[in-house]
Amino acid sequence: AQKVTQAQTEISVVEKEDVTLDCVYETRDTTYYLFWYKQPPSGELVFLIRRNSFDEQNEISGRYSWNFQKSTSSFNFTITASQVVDSAVYFCALSEATGGFKTIFGAGTRLFVKA
Amino acid sequence: DAGITQSPRYKITETGRQVTLMCHQTWSHSYMFWYRQDLGHGLRLIYYSAAADITDKGEVPDGYVVSRSKTENFPLTLESATRSQTSVYFCASSELGQGAASYEQYFGPGTRLTVT
Repeated sequence: AQKVTQAQTEISVVEKEDVTLDCVYETRDTTYYLFWYKQPPSGELVFLIRRNSFDEQNEISGRYSWNFQKSTSSFNFTITASQVVDSAVYFCALSEATGGFKTIFGAGTRLFVKA
Repeated sequence: DAGITQSPRYKITETGRQVTLMCHQTWSHSYMFWYRQDLGHGLRLIYYSAAADITDKGEVPDGYVVSRSKTENFPLTLESATRSQTSVYFCASSELGQGAASYEQYFGPGTRLTVT
């Protein structure tokens, strides 16, 4: 069965600090997809990144970077030089090919960035 | 309007009543999903659909019914609402990519449902 664990419930940082959000997943599939979504205080859910199980390359997009390690079943998300606008709940999610692509979300990590 | 919409945005109902939450998408995406969001649980999948007339259970399907007669619509019905179904409900859609790749989901704005 698929499972996503985001052990950090809440994180509080001061602006300009770097912060890493952890995501650990469980799956028996060899083909699967990992996602990160952002939910700002306004409530909408915004897609950030998708990774498939065959692509372990790390990715950087501006101040955001993602570290995918199959050996530890982790897909961590780092925000460099955090800003107040980064304050949100961040969700990691997993979609398995054999599961009909139903997606399971972690419980989310609430990030507070203080000015 | 293009995109994915949900109605109503807010609903208050009484225990035992039937409630239907609507979801409409204009992209003709194959996949549609219903989630509920509760504090401490993140998003939990209720039902999903791979195409019109194809639906399947998610993590928490009990007490809910779905249908999908048209690709663009995916209504969620609470047959007899209970207080435990008070939640924020999100609908999402997604396309199936090349080589059966799973693509990202696009979410509606959510429906806040209160059952008294």
